Amino acid sequence: DVKVTQSSRYLVKRTGEKVFLECVQDMDHENMFWYRQDPGLGLRLIYFSYDVKMKEKGDIPEGYSVSREKKERFSLILESASTNQTSMYLCASRIDRNYGYTFGSGTRLTVV
Amino acid sequence: LAKTTQPISMDSYEGQEVNITCSHNNIATNDYITWYQQFPSQGPRFIIQGYKTKVTNEVASLFIPADRKSSTLSLPRVSLSDTAVYYCLFGGATNKLIFGTGTLLAVQP
Repeated sequence: DVKVTQSSRYLVKRTGEKVFLECVQDMDHENMFWYRQDPGLGLRLIYFSYDVKMKEKGDIPEGYSVSREKKERFSLILESASTNQTSMYLCASRIDRNYGYTFGSGTRLTVV
Repeated sequence: LAKTTQPISMDSYEGQEVNITCSHNNIATNDYITWYQQFPSQGPRFIIQGYKTKVTNEVASLFIPADRKSSTLSLPRVSLSDTAVYYCLFGGATNKLIFGTGTLLAVQP
């Protein structure tokens, strides 16, 4: 089975800190995605990448950036964390658009 | 923007069959329809995917009519552990999948 691993299950950061959320997948998938999930809003796409060094904005990219230097790793960066970025962050990967996603377990980030 | 419409919530009892219907009016010709299950504090888990007619696996069946503007996830003989949020989605015009707000299925004893 494909495994998507997110480096932290829970994180607490202070306002203004730079935050890195790491995601690694082990099945050579081309496509990787970052979502955030909030009560009542469902999952919203932040950024996605379909190849190394390639990235595309999702629906809510403001306040975030991403990095994909290696195929297996997709990092989400909060340049200056704010309290409204407190959320559950989910990473996913898939082979291509004809296949389903495999999600990681999520990182619950709290910004205080 | 690709959009799906599902009931916000459904109730059921253990042992019943549950059918959750989703509408996706602007699905593209080459889009697949996919369903996910999510438990609290976990990432969504892939359940089933289909293109047309009927698909069945060990956990669910997926029914897709000829016009493909809707789909129905069928869960046979649900148990308490099937209480979760169920999302339907499709590919849309680009590679990304857009999640709706999902259907909260509550199974009671």
